[in-house]
Amino acid sequence: DQQVKQNSPSLSVQEGRISILNCDYTNSMFDYFLWYKKYPAEGPTFLISISSIKDKNEDGRFTVFLNKSAKHLSLHIVPSQPGDSAVYFCAASGVQGAQKLVFGQGTRLTINP
Amino acid sequence: GAGVSQTPSNKVTEKGKYVELRCDPISGHTALYWYRQSLGQGPEFLIYFQGTGAADDSGLPNDRFFAVRPEGSVSTLKIQRTERGDSAVYLCASSGGFDSPLHFGNGTRLTVT
Repeated sequence: DQQVKQNSPSLSVQEGRISILNCDYTNSMFDYFLWYKKYPAEGPTFLISISSIKDKNEDGRFTVFLNKSAKHLSLHIVPSQPGDSAVYFCAASGVQGAQKLVFGQGTRLTINP
Repeated sequence: GAGVSQTPSNKVTEKGKYVELRCDPISGHTALYWYRQSLGQGPEFLIYFQGTGAADDSGLPNDRFFAVRPEGSVSTLKIQRTERGDSAVYLCASSGGFDSPLHFGNGTRLTVT
C-alpha cells in the first residue's frame, strides 16, 4: 500500500528550463509535506516543505505547490541547473514537526546542458 | 559542523550472521531516526528515539531487528540472523527540534550473501 507515489521514475530537462516533479498521496491524514534531494552515495538532504494550511511555498529557485483536494503536490525548479541532477523524494507526515516520514519512490532528474 | 556519521559505509555479511550498524548524530540533536532504503524505493521508517528511549519502533520489520541509544547520543542498529532480504541501505537521521527537518547520514550499505 503505497501512500505516497511518485509516478515518474525519471525526468530529463534542458538546462535553464523549468523542472516539474509530481507527487500524489492517498492518506488524508497527511498534513505536512517535504521534498528531499539525494546524490549517489549520500543521504537525502532537505529542500523545502509545506504545511497543509498553505498551497504554495517558495525558496529561491524551488517552489512547492499543494492541491489538497486532489491530494497532489509538485516541486518546481526554475531555472534548472546541472547541479540539480539528483533523485528527488517526496515525503509526508501526519503532524507538522513529526518526522516519521512516508517517502515516495523517488524521481531521477537529469539536467542536460 | 560535522553532520550525521554512519559506520561502516559498507558491510558484507553472510546469511545468518549478526551485524551492528552505528550512527553518530549531530551534536545536541535529541531526536534520532533509522530508515531503510531498498533498491528503487524511498526510505522506509524503522525506529525513532527521543533521548535514550525508543519513542516509536513500529517500523521494525520483525524481532531480529533491535536498536539502542544508551546515552542519548550514538545509536546502534542490531540485526540478528541476517537474511538476504535485509540487504539495503540503512539511513540514520537526527533532528534538532520539533519543527526542524531531518539531517541524514550517508547510510550503511548492507549486503547479505
